[in-house]
Amino acid sequence: NAGVTQTPKFQVLKTGQSMTLQCAQDMNHEYMSWYRQDPGMGLRLIHYSVGAGITDQGEVPNGYNVSRSTTEDFPLRLLSAAPSQTSVYFCASSYSARDYGYEQYFGPGTRLTVT
Amino acid sequence: AQTVTQSQPEMSVQEAETVTLSCTYDTSESNYYLFWYKQPPSRQMILVIRQEAYKQQNATENRFSVNFQKAAKSFSLKISDSQLGDTAMYFCAFKGRGGNKLVFGAGTILRVKS
Repeated sequence: NAGVTQTPKFQVLKTGQSMTLQCAQDMNHEYMSWYRQDPGMGLRLIHYSVGAGITDQGEVPNGYNVSRSTTEDFPLRLLSAAPSQTSVYFCASSYSARDYGYEQYFGPGTRLTVT
Repeated sequence: AQTVTQSQPEMSVQEAETVTLSCTYDTSESNYYLFWYKQPPSRQMILVIRQEAYKQQNATENRFSVNFQKAAKSFSLKISDSQLGDTAMYFCAFKGRGGNKLVFGAGTILRVKS
């Protein structure tokens, strides 16, 4: 199993540009989510999905879109990049059932810089 | 809304010694899960240990153990026989009702010195 993969690992954008961060998992997990990590703030939830076709907002959704057309993929779209979106982005996935202890598996992260 | 507080931004410990990282949380729920995640310099997030709130017994995983005080809403992580490879950022996280959403603390940087 490759686990959770994210591309790209690093990205530099200019203000106003758009881009998509890719996330894929091969563990057949129902639940997938996106977090951003900023110094002194831990990880904050952007968007999440409980299954294909179902998404919802997390704590900091503004400026981001998601979709979940398959179980495996959960891309994050930045519509018009702003310097405030400079951050490290993590995708995570997990089984929904309690039997699995709710452990979330994280991708390696994408470091995004918006100039 | 739930909140998670880690009051120690940085800590250091000598190799082979024991260190305790603090975490407190705020919730009105009675059943929930608590986690400690480790983030080494590689940036990869790794689950260290988890605790179910309805279980009275403190979780242990090899050199890692927790002191879970439900009434005090406290969830500290004890690392025994610290090793250089334990150097990392440690995050405390909370999962309540309503899906697998995690609420994270700000993190504690732990440096193990030789």
